[in-house]
Amino acid sequence: SHDLTQPPSVSVSPGQTATITCSGDKLWDKYAFWYQQRPGQSPVVVIYQDTKRPSGIPERFSGSNSGNTATLTISGTQAMDEADYYCQAWDSNTAVFGGGTKLTVL
Amino acid sequence: QVQLVESGGGVVQPGKSLRLSCSASGFIFSYYYMHWVRQAPGEGLEWVAVISYDGSDTYYAESVKGRFTVSRDNSRNLLYLQMSSLRTEDTAVYYCARVSRSHYLSSDDYFDHWGQGTLVTVSS
Repeated sequence: SHDLTQPPSVSVSPGQTATITCSGDKLWDKYAFWYQQRPGQSPVVVIYQDTKRPSGIPERFSGSNSGNTATLTISGTQAMDEADYYCQAWDSNTAVFGGGTKLTVL
Repeated sequence: QVQLVESGGGVVQPGKSLRLSCSASGFIFSYYYMHWVRQAPGEGLEWVAVISYDGSDTYYAESVKGRFTVSRDNSRNLLYLQMSSLRTEDTAVYYCARVSRSHYLSSDDYFDHWGQGTLVTVSS
């Protein structure tokens, strides 16, 4: 079981906006982080501290966190964005991951 | 550049033990908390354990507490995960991962570097 809940899959057409949600109790009181994992590769952070993008991550990736839901938004989705996405937060000294969302770019 | 390389994975029978290693380079290893995260085949990410930069503090997921031990050798830039009483549900790719800030375990920090992972298969 996961303390952070994500939809198993999201589909989007190229050029459109993809939205992936992550729900958890009192998530508003924590920072949310988002990782992208392409098949056969290790995860890469795309959003940290709810809204910040690491260097090298395209501007089309953005994040928000309000209430009990954090959201990853990919604007102008490209085929290369097809991957699994995981949200993550901290619970005391332990990391908690969401179950992951498979993003399909049709 | 930061590099994390895991090793030690393989096939092991239920109830047996296995030790994983993670070799770190490209940064001052002794400054950073280090984590193990695993991923069962076709499944999501599961955090396993963390060790403080000096090895004095460790924390574990409930699923492995009492069976796994994380340790480190800062003189050799090595991180370890000793796994005992292995179960079939421990089958996974095991990643070592570093957080972005040195000397702290903080709720505003994130995993900025990951190894390529090593596969552990628990099967009779």
